Amino acid sequence: DVKVTQSSRYLVKRTGEKVFLECVQDMDHENMFWYRQDPGLGLRLIYFSYDVKMKEKGDIPEGYSVSREKKERFSLILESASTNQTSMYLCASSLSTDSNQPQHFGDGTRLSIL
Amino acid sequence: GQSLEQPSEVTAVEGAIVQINCTYQTSGFYGLSWYQQHDGGAPTFLSYNALDGLEETGRFSSFLSRSDSYGYLLLQELQMKDSASYFCAVGHDNRDDKIIFGKGTRLHILP
Repeated sequence: DVKVTQSSRYLVKRTGEKVFLECVQDMDHENMFWYRQDPGLGLRLIYFSYDVKMKEKGDIPEGYSVSREKKERFSLILESASTNQTSMYLCASSLSTDSNQPQHFGDGTRLSIL
Repeated sequence: GQSLEQPSEVTAVEGAIVQINCTYQTSGFYGLSWYQQHDGGAPTFLSYNALDGLEETGRFSSFLSRSDSYGYLLLQELQMKDSASYFCAVGHDNRDDKIIFGKGTRLHILP
């Protein structure tokens, strides 16, 4: 089974801090994704990566950056955390660039910015 | 713009059948997927339709009509464990695996 592991289940940080969310997948998947999930808004794509050192903006990239130095690891960075970034963050991976490849999700990180 | 519409909540009785609809408006179309998410859990993939028609996987079936930009997820012989949120998702760009998710349908099952 594919395993997508997010480093923290719950995280509390303060406004203005630089925050790192880590995600690791163990199935040699090409694609990795970061979403945030808010009540009533579903899953919204922040950034995705289809190869090492490659990244593309999703629908809501403002205030975020990403890093993919190794194929198995995709990091989401909040450059200067703000209260409106309090949310559930979900990482996902998929095998390759093919529309019928399912995305496999981690358990999520519930991030609170105080 | 890109949009997917699905009901926010549906209620059904244990043992019954329920259908969750999804209509989409996207610049491209490369398949309709369904995901299930239990409270506090990760979304998990249920099904994928690229062509018109019905795909069956056990108690769950998914249907697609590309001409109507419409699909549905059909859950039969409902069990209490099916209480969850269900998301439709559309692949709209064949250059990558980026997909757009609907806002989700919360399924409540009554005993």
